[in-house]
Amino acid sequence: DTEVTQTPKHLVMGMTNKKSLKCEQHMGHRAMYWYKQKAKKPPELMFVYSYEKLSINESVPSRFSPECPNSSLLNLHLHALQPEDSALYLCASSQEGQGGYGYTFGSGTRLTVV
Amino acid sequence: GNSVTQMEGPVTLSEEAFLTINCTYTATGYPSLFWYVQYPGEGLQLLLKATKADDKGSNKGFEATYRKETTSFHLEKGSVQVSDSAVYFCALSKDRGSTLGRLYFGRGTQLTVWP
Repeated sequence: DTEVTQTPKHLVMGMTNKKSLKCEQHMGHRAMYWYKQKAKKPPELMFVYSYEKLSINESVPSRFSPECPNSSLLNLHLHALQPEDSALYLCASSQEGQGGYGYTFGSGTRLTVV
Repeated sequence: GNSVTQMEGPVTLSEEAFLTINCTYTATGYPSLFWYVQYPGEGLQLLLKATKADDKGSNKGFEATYRKETTSFHLEKGSVQVSDSAVYFCALSKDRGSTLGRLYFGRGTQLTVWP
């Protein structure tokens, strides 16, 4: 299995809703990432988990809450989002400390906040 | 700091034309370099990579050579197809220090190929 699987593919939520994005990989990668991508822009790093511990938080607002329940799963909990948070959310994984092997990205969750 | 500069797009070509997308980088030490491709409505796919100077990455007819002397990693393809239409991102990563786990992207270049 050489994939990163993200669910759901599309999500529409209101500003008062609570929802979660899910990411799963079975490649044995010990580093997992959340990126946010706006239209026609490169992905922006949000969070990095290394060995199931949060190692980087790029000053992301607290309405985004990451969670890494085990080495294969990564969640992003969403609460009280704003319309400007509408974007493509990408999950990725890599071998820890071996960036030369590249990062495997999921196909993303397209989020619309109404 | 670490950064990647890509040529501005969009790039529009006819089928079978030669493609070059320029990419230069700024980094300390020896970064790994990547080209990612993003097709409409999809996530990013690793196209090719190089981990040390003079390495050539290649895949699906695309090539890029890690040039440390010019800090460049230009993407080339001899004959593009309509199916190559996508956004291409140049990126670098470091394996050590506080930037571990961080992937630095260029702005992306939109390629459109007409039949």
